[in-house]
Amino acid sequence: DTGVSQDPRHKITKRGQNVTFRCDPISEHNRLYWYRQTLGQGPEFLTYFQNEAQLEKSRLLSDRFSAERPKGSFSTLEIQRTEQGDSAMYLCASGHRGRGNMNTEAFFGQGTRLTVV
Amino acid sequence: GIQVEQSPPDLILQEGANSTLRCNFSDSVNNLQWFHQNPWGQLINLFYIPSGTKQNGRLSATTVATERYSLLYISSSQTTDSGVYFCAVEVTSGTYKYIFGTGTRLKVLA
Repeated sequence: DTGVSQDPRHKITKRGQNVTFRCDPISEHNRLYWYRQTLGQGPEFLTYFQNEAQLEKSRLLSDRFSAERPKGSFSTLEIQRTEQGDSAMYLCASGHRGRGNMNTEAFFGQGTRLTVV
Repeated sequence: GIQVEQSPPDLILQEGANSTLRCNFSDSVNNLQWFHQNPWGQLINLFYIPSGTKQNGRLSATTVATERYSLLYISSSQTTDSGVYFCAVEVTSGTYKYIFGTGTRLKVLA
């Protein structure tokens, strides 16, 4: 396993278009996270999956954003009607649930850099 | 929610110098990780250290959970150490996400 994989690496889209990103986590990991990072800031949490269940969503995740993780494997993040403010790096991470419902170490993918023009 | 602050925000070093980066957090945490973000945006795992001390080559880290801080030590710095260093904590209040600190931007000069 080569780690967390994200596709595409870069995406340029026109305002108002829909975009979809894919994340393939490390195969034995049951936890998957999406984060967003804008220039000069630290990553901000968007949403978290435990297997196929979406257990937490940030208030940053507006109605235009939707995430899925069918069958608890890969995940997709879709942004509808993109706006210029959506321009950011979108990062995916995976980890494993240990005993006592605690996370083990989280690993991040290389990210998808979105530019909305 | 929990506040995670890192200091200093910016640091410039000559190659070969040592440095200490600090991460303070405002509440109890389950886990803590240190990351190095390279110029291409990739977050590289440095340490998974909810408590205690770990060392990996020129880097070492210490977390004192009872006092709510963690330190990252970089010795004999190299230009390839340049980038942004983040700490991230997982809170104990029932949520499962990592909250990132404000970051320390390090530049090592040759």
